[in-house]
Amino acid sequence: AQSVTQPDIHITVSEGASLELRCNYSYGATPYLFWYVQSPGQGLQLLLKYFSGDTLVQGIKGFEAEFKRSQSSFNLRKPSVHWSDAAEYFCAVGPSGTYKYIFGTGTRLKVLA
Amino acid sequence: DTAVSQTPKYLVTQMGNDKSIKCEQNLGHDTMYWYKQDSKKFLKIMFSYNNKELIINETVPNRFSPKSPDKAHLNLHINSLELGDSAVYFCASSLRGQAPYEQYFGPGTRLTVT
Repeated sequence: AQSVTQPDIHITVSEGASLELRCNYSYGATPYLFWYVQSPGQGLQLLLKYFSGDTLVQGIKGFEAEFKRSQSSFNLRKPSVHWSDAAEYFCAVGPSGTYKYIFGTGTRLKVLA
Repeated sequence: DTAVSQTPKYLVTQMGNDKSIKCEQNLGHDTMYWYKQDSKKFLKIMFSYNNKELIINETVPNRFSPKSPDKAHLNLHINSLELGDSAVYFCASSLRGQAPYEQYFGPGTRLTVT
């Protein structure tokens, strides 16, 4: 069955520190992978996406993610976190043949000043 | 310009009432979705329409009925509201047939049933 796992429910980092949010997926075919960010009280904003080509993808707000097929992972990274990055981050895979997207349970990022 | 819009943003109502949430997208997408996000931020797909045709219909109480008058609009009508329906409802859209098929989300409608 298709699934997405975000192992970390909460992560706390200091402003200026580097960040890595983990995402593992289970998918039968070549996946389309996405990272979304949800700021408090807001909708989901697409940070970046992967579907082919270079396995290191760049996104908005200084984020990047690396697709590793051998590890079934698509981890999100940022070299220096800003206080405004505090939000909920969702990894997603899809769409499957039924055009359904599978979302992870989210990782809540807290940034310390 | 707003890409995916939802109205209302907040909806407070009493148990047993009937309410509707509207969604519109101006991205030229042909597929639209409704998601429910619970208090733990878990996102659950409810429905999806492609060119006005229902293509995803998850296990959702039949009190929930989606309607798509055209491919730019997808509305959600909820009958006999229950306390457990309190959640944030997100509309999203995507373009089927064009990779990478990313979804764009609306700002959400926070439904509170008292």
